[in-house]
Amino acid sequence: GQQLNQSPQSMFIQEGEDVSMNCTSSSIFNTWLWYKQDPGEGPVLLIALYKAGELTSNGRLTAQFGITRKDSFLNISASIPSDVGIYFCAGLSGGGADGLTFGKGTHLIIQP
Amino acid sequence: NAGVTQTPKFRVLKTGQSMTLLCAQDMNHEYMYWYRQDPGMGLRLIHYSVGEGTTAKGEVPDGYNVSRLKKQNFLLGLESAAPSQTSVYFCASSYGGYTQYFGPGTRLTVL
Repeated sequence: GQQLNQSPQSMFIQEGEDVSMNCTSSSIFNTWLWYKQDPGEGPVLLIALYKAGELTSNGRLTAQFGITRKDSFLNISASIPSDVGIYFCAGLSGGGADGLTFGKGTHLIIQP
Repeated sequence: NAGVTQTPKFRVLKTGQSMTLLCAQDMNHEYMYWYRQDPGMGLRLIHYSVGEGTTAKGEVPDGYNVSRLKKQNFLLGLESAAPSQTSVYFCASSYGGYTQYFGPGTRLTVL
C-alpha cells in the first residue's frame, strides 16, 4: 500500500523554539491533513490542505501542501509546553472512501 | 454534541475470545472508519463504511468483521482474538470522506 515517510521521528527542543516536520510520499495525494495526538487520546485535526501549493495557518501552526502533491510540511512557531505530543501527517489519494494513509508520527518533546 | 464516542475504553481478552467494539457518532456523517494503532506504526485502516448497510476492507482487515446497521453506529468485531490484535483501536467519521474526526480510542489487550 501507500506509505508516508514522516521525519523527524522525534524532536527534543527548548520552549520558545520553532519546530519543523515533514512528510514525503512516492504517491500523489489530493488532500494532506495534520493531526496531533495527546497520550491516551485520539488524533485531533490541526490543519487540512486541499490544493497543491496551498499554505494554511492555524494560530502558531503553518502547513503547506507541496507543489508535486507528494509532500507536506508543518511548522510550529514559538513552541509552548502544551505543544508536546505526537504529530501525524495523513494523506488522502481518492475521494476519502479508502481512508487515510498515516505517517508514523513525530514525537515532540519540549524541555523547559 | 459528543462527536465520536467509543465503547469500551479498555478491554482484556484471552486468546480465542470474541468481542465487539462500538463506535457512535452524532454528526450525521456518512463515512465511518476503524483504524488500529501500534507502537511506531502510525494508524492503519482496518475496515470502513461509506454509508448505512455498506462496508469495505481497508489495509489490515484479516481477523476483523464490521457492521453498519445504523448510520450513526459502526461495530468492529473480533471473532477469535489473537495476541497480534493487541492494539489501540480508533474509530473515525467524516462527512464527505475528507476531514476525519476521531474517537478517544479503545485499548485492547489479548493474552
